[in-house]
Amino acid sequence: DAKTTQPPSMDCAEGRAANLPCNHSTISGNEYVYWYRQIHSQGPQYIIHGLKNNETNEMASLIITEDRKSSTLILPHATLRDTAVYYCIVSPPNTGNQFYFGTGTSLTVIP
Amino acid sequence: GAVVSQHPSWVICKSGTSVKIECRSLDFQATTMFWYRQFPKQSLMLMATSNEGSKATYEQGVEKDKFLINHASLTLSTLTVTSAHPEDSSFYICSARDQGRTYEQYFGPGTRLTVT
Repeated sequence: DAKTTQPPSMDCAEGRAANLPCNHSTISGNEYVYWYRQIHSQGPQYIIHGLKNNETNEMASLIITEDRKSSTLILPHATLRDTAVYYCIVSPPNTGNQFYFGTGTSLTVIP
Repeated sequence: GAVVSQHPSWVICKSGTSVKIECRSLDFQATTMFWYRQFPKQSLMLMATSNEGSKATYEQGVEKDKFLINHASLTLSTLTVTSAHPEDSSFYICSARDQGRTYEQYFGPGTRLTVT
C-alpha cells in the first residue's frame, strides 16, 4: 500500500513556482523519496529522488523536512507542459523493491 | 536515463482470446521488472514483480493464472492476459530498475488494451 498522501489537485500560474507537498509520516530510515509525473496516457517520468538532503536537478528541487515525514517538490518556473499528475513514492533503493503509487496530485498550469 | 519499451502500444482483441505484451529494457539489464495496471482517472496499481529466471510474485487479488508473466532474459519480460474479458480493458505499464543504478525505476510508455 502507498505510504504517501498528496492533495488531489493544484493550480499554478505559468512562469510561477509550483510547490507540491507530500506527506510520508511512516517513512523508514532506509527509504528514499521519489517523485514521478505522468502526462495523460504515457508512462510515468522520473523527476528526482532524495534521502534526507535537499536535492536539485535540471527539472526540479526536492525539499525534505528534517524529520523526513514530509517533502515538497518545487518546479521553479512552471510551463504548460508541466501539467500532469505528480506522484510521490517512498521505497528502499533496491532493484527488487516495489513502488506503490498513491493518488498523486493533478497539477494544472494556467496560462 | 535508461529506456524501457513496450510492444504493442495499443491492442484490440475479442473476448476469450489471449494477448501478449512485451516489455524490454533497451540499454540496461534488469533482473527485476514490474507490471502495473491503470484504469481511467485512477492511479497505477502494481500487479506483479517479474524476476528473471524465476516465478513472478503477484500482488494480492491479482489472478496469476489469468495474467501470465515470463521473464526469460535480463532485458525482456512478457505479460499475457489469458481469456480476456471486457473488464480487463486497461492501460498496462511495465517498469524496471537498473542493476547498475539502484535508485530510479524506469517506466515503459504503456500498452492500451481494449477487449471487445
